[in-house]
Amino acid sequence: NAGVMQNPRHLVRRRGQEARLRCSPMKGHSHVYWYRQLPEEGLKFMVYLQKENIIDESGMPKERFSAEFPKEGPSILRIQQVVRGDSAAYFCASGGEKLFFGSGTQLSVL
Amino acid sequence: DAKTTQPTSMDCAEGRAANLPCNHSTISGNEYVYWYRQIHSQGPQYIIHGLKNNETNEMASLIITEDRKSSTLILPHATLRDTAVYYCIVRVAGDYKLSFGAGTTVTVRA
Repeated sequence: NAGVMQNPRHLVRRRGQEARLRCSPMKGHSHVYWYRQLPEEGLKFMVYLQKENIIDESGMPKERFSAEFPKEGPSILRIQQVVRGDSAAYFCASGGEKLFFGSGTQLSVL
Repeated sequence: DAKTTQPTSMDCAEGRAANLPCNHSTISGNEYVYWYRQIHSQGPQYIIHGLKNNETNEMASLIITEDRKSSTLILPHATLRDTAVYYCIVRVAGDYKLSFGAGTTVTVRA
C-alpha cells in the first residue's frame, strides 16, 4: 500500500445520497485504477483513468457511477443515488508492472 | 472467468514454510504469474511475479514449473502477520486489469 492515498477510510450514506471517493496515486504515477470488492467476493476492476482521460470503464455499472481524474487533484469515484447494493470496499491502485493499492474506502449504505 | 485454481484455505504453523499452490493450465506464453495478498480490511499487497524462471524477493519465493502450468508461492518463515487471503493471478504484460479469484485463505497458527 505504498503511497496510494484514499479517503475517506469509511463513508456512511443513506439511500439516495451521493458518495464521493477520492484517490491520489503514488508520486510519479499519472494513472489510477478503481476496483470494487463486494462483501465476501473478490476484487473486480471498474475503471482505468489517466489524467483528464478515461481509458477503460468497462467494469463500471452503466448508471449512477462516474469517475474522473482531473489535471489537478485526486481522482474521484462518484456514486449518485446510492443503494444498499453499493455497500462495498472501493480500492484505488496505481502502477504498471506492479500495481500498488490504497487502503480502500468502505462504503456503507443505510 | 478466473484463469487460476487455488485451494480454498490452508493452515500453517508459525515459523514454518508455507507453500501455496496454484494451477494455471491455460496460461499463455506472454502471461506472467502474479501473487498478491490481502490482509483483512486492507488493500491488496503485491508479493512477487514471474514469467518462467523462479523468483525470490524479501517476501517470498515463486517456483514455476517448467511447463508453466502451475506454480508455488513459498513464504519461508510464516508469521502471524502473514495470515491473509493470497491471490494467484495470470496477467499479460502491460494489462492493467487484474482478475482476482477467491484466493487461498492462509491462517498462520502459533
